[in-house]
Amino acid sequence: EVQLLESGGGLVQPGGSLRLSCAASGFTFSSYAMNWVRQAPGKGLEWVSGISGSGSSTYHADSVKGRFTISRDNSKNTVYLQMNSLRAEDSAVYYCAKFRGWGQGTLVTVSS
Amino acid sequence: DIQLTQSPSFLSASVGDRVTITCRASQGISSLLLWNQQKPGKAPKVLIYAASTLESGVPSRFSGSGSGTEFTLTISSLQSEDFATYYCQQLNSYPWTFGQGTKVEIK
Repeated sequence: EVQLLESGGGLVQPGGSLRLSCAASGFTFSSYAMNWVRQAPGKGLEWVSGISGSGSSTYHADSVKGRFTISRDNSKNTVYLQMNSLRAEDSAVYYCAKFRGWGQGTLVTVSS
Repeated sequence: DIQLTQSPSFLSASVGDRVTITCRASQGISSLLLWNQQKPGKAPKVLIYAASTLESGVPSRFSGSGSGTEFTLTISSLQSEDFATYYCQQLNSYPWTFGQGTKVEIK
């Protein structure tokens, strides 16, 4: 059974940083691209970042480019999202996602 | 970026009704489309992948069709547990994009 377990969310001040983690199990982790998708309160789903199975290719939405960095450690079956220069509009539930699989989400709140 | 336009945005229906939701892509995406269901406070759940393949464990009243730019999600007989928001999602290319969602509520 595919399991994706996010952690690292919380309250951070504007301009601050946070690192999200997603621990994966139940599938061959290095064979799958992994992604982060977020959902602001009462809003729809927005893709944030993606990374290839090997980690050699990364992709970011224009809204986070230059501030967020996705990475992975295939030896630990974990994908990360380093979030810097956080803004109020980054407040959302952040989901770890793969093809046909979603984590339960972790809440990030950016507020002073 | 590939835009996905879902219709309708809101749908009021009764238990037992047949419900159809449409998703239109701004350019061809072959069959690289998912349908997700999301209930309040919960993570999305994949119902259908590859436009028409039912995810394991999903009731057979759900079905998907289409390819290229036009896609449809159909619920043949709406049940009480189906009241939720539905999102189409394209995986043809980055950035992944989503439809704006269709909220299905009880009439």
